[in-house]
Amino acid sequence: DAGVIQSPRHEVTEMGQEVTLRCKPISGHNSLFWYRQTMMRGLELLIYFNNNVPIDDSGMPEDRFSAKMPNASFSTLKIQPSEPRDSAVYFCASSLRDSLNEQFFGPGTRLTVL
Amino acid sequence: GEDVEQSLFLSVREGDSSVINCTYTDSSSTYLYWYKQEPGAGLQLLTYIFSNMDMKQDQRLTVLLNKKDKHLSLRIADTQTGDSAIYFCAEKDSSNTGKLIFGQGTTLQVKP
Repeated sequence: DAGVIQSPRHEVTEMGQEVTLRCKPISGHNSLFWYRQTMMRGLELLIYFNNNVPIDDSGMPEDRFSAKMPNASFSTLKIQPSEPRDSAVYFCASSLRDSLNEQFFGPGTRLTVL
Repeated sequence: GEDVEQSLFLSVREGDSSVINCTYTDSSSTYLYWYKQEPGAGLQLLTYIFSNMDMKQDQRLTVLLNKKDKHLSLRIADTQTGDSAIYFCAEKDSSNTGKLIFGQGTTLQVKP
């Protein structure tokens, strides 16, 4: 398996623009997580899905952020409109919700909002 | 709610042992984890310990669990420059929804 795939790997955009981050989880995994990592705030869980259903979005910073999982092999995180304080590395992770619960992380998308 | 705390930074010399410490709050956690993040990459599971164990050894890694004090540690023997990374402690969320609670991460710097 190729692991968790994220695209793009780097995104530079201007304030006010819409940004869409994409994630393909590992085939067969039934949980998907979106995280954000910054120097100031560390690693933050934004939202997660079980069987394509959002379970907890309490980590989503504000209404500008939205996430979808239309099927088991694809998820998007959208920021509209983007702001400079959204600059961060965004990680997607997936897991098979078994007893160990190991999460497999993608390589991340580095977002810079100018 | 659940919380996981770690110190932010540790610096050691190559060949020395490193000990990274973590405290957690949920005494019902069944698994506790150590994840490693190398520069420019995502987190990767390094090792884990089941809550009914006190110690787990895996080559240069030793995990110690003190359930009474809710304290977890990771010891890396003969630390190498390749061990330089951020190490995250995590516990399994009690809601059993698959969520993990991560600490802030400890940056390990290994000096030659």
